[in-house]
Amino acid sequence: EAQVTQNPRYLITVTGKKLTVTCSQNMNHEYMSWYRQDPGLGLRQIYYSMNVEVTDKGDVPEGYKVSRKEKRNFPLILESPSPNQTSLYFCASSPKWDADTGELFFGEGSRLTVL
Amino acid sequence: GDSVTQMEGPVTLSEEAFLTINCTYTATGYPSLFWYVQYPGEGLQLLLKATKADDKGSNKGFEATYRKETTSFHLEKGSVQVSDSAVYFCALSVGGGFKTIFGAGTRLFVKA
Repeated sequence: EAQVTQNPRYLITVTGKKLTVTCSQNMNHEYMSWYRQDPGLGLRQIYYSMNVEVTDKGDVPEGYKVSRKEKRNFPLILESPSPNQTSLYFCASSPKWDADTGELFFGEGSRLTVL
Repeated sequence: GDSVTQMEGPVTLSEEAFLTINCTYTATGYPSLFWYVQYPGEGLQLLLKATKADDKGSNKGFEATYRKETTSFHLEKGSVQVSDSAVYFCALSVGGGFKTIFGAGTRLFVKA
């Protein structure tokens, strides 16, 4: 089954404790992206990757890191989480970046709470 | 910068009622426009799209027309069902931006 898989789905952690949210897709997609979803703000892009070893900042990259060593995986790293990073996180992928087709395939989301 | 504005929710309707969710956009180029739907506990999935002015996107009884003159892409459905209860996101993408920009989302409740 074609899918984007995120882990963990739910996590409660404490300020400053490094964590990684994994994202893996099995569709051989080149483009991958991370979004965070907050009430009243919709989804905001954190980082994106056009292909292996090519990543760039989105609109809200502060406090996050990413890597793209393999095509299928795009982990989101919070080196020192803070309470303002409490949010619902989505990983998304697309065959390649194409604004006209633009369909993103989303994971089920990872709800993170930082105390 | 590029942005999407959609009507605040929640919207509560009775089954078989007519649905309109308003969406307007601001973009420097010629965007493609999308509606995504998020069912409880799930990720977003594409509902419909339109890539140029006057195009109509449609799917599952939902429709939206790309109106360049009013910079709008309103979502409509003639007769909603309880199963349509979800959050609906209007979105746009422009080629050089390398991202899809989402509105804040509109939650729809449909009562039996």
